[in-house]
Amino acid sequence: ETGVTQTPRHLVMGMTNKKSLKCEQHLGHNAMYWYKQSAKKPLELMFVYSLEERVENNSVPSRFSPECPNSSHLFLHLHTLQPEDSALYLCASSKEGGPRYGYTFGSGTRLTVV
Amino acid sequence: GENVEQHPSTLSVQEGDSAVIKCTYSDSASNYFPWYKQELGKGPQLIIDIRSNVGEKKDQRIAVTLNKTAKHFSLHITETQPEDSAVYFCAASIGGNEKLTFGTGTRLTIIP
Repeated sequence: ETGVTQTPRHLVMGMTNKKSLKCEQHLGHNAMYWYKQSAKKPLELMFVYSLEERVENNSVPSRFSPECPNSSHLFLHLHTLQPEDSALYLCASSKEGGPRYGYTFGSGTRLTVV
Repeated sequence: GENVEQHPSTLSVQEGDSAVIKCTYSDSASNYFPWYKQELGKGPQLIIDIRSNVGEKKDQRIAVTLNKTAKHFSLHITETQPEDSAVYFCAASIGGNEKLTFGTGTRLTIIP
């Protein structure tokens, strides 16, 4: 385990469902990130939270809604997704200041939209 | 914004031989360059990184070189072993910025 835990590991959902992905870290980090990993594409940064405030939203559709209730937990709420949203969703955390300060990934949630 | 290109997309080498993966970046302000290894069913894990004030860094069988003038950096793995088989990602970021821009990945296969 890396210290960043993501649940569930696998998720299959219909296009009309609402589900949430969860990320938890106890590394003392105060920045958390959501990435989307699709086949043959670079990892796409979706959201960045630093000190529990959202500092970046990379033009992500509103059907993805992040929530960061505290520095240890990050959620990604999903609703009315499309089949092209099927991907591996990775959470990462770091100390404030960015990737050079202990950037750690979770194992991801494999999402399939049917 | 920053753009990172990575080559090759797939690489197969005989066990014991060396493997080299190359990346180029576009933003001359980038000054931090990590490499990640992703094994099947896991998230990427940092294996080595280099900062722009250093030209080369080595950690056992893994080394990274950086050429700031040409804006490219490379990962070198020597004496490859079966457990080196994985997907490797390069990335670049600007100091103090949370954003990390990744390459498209290289699937490395070590042939026993």
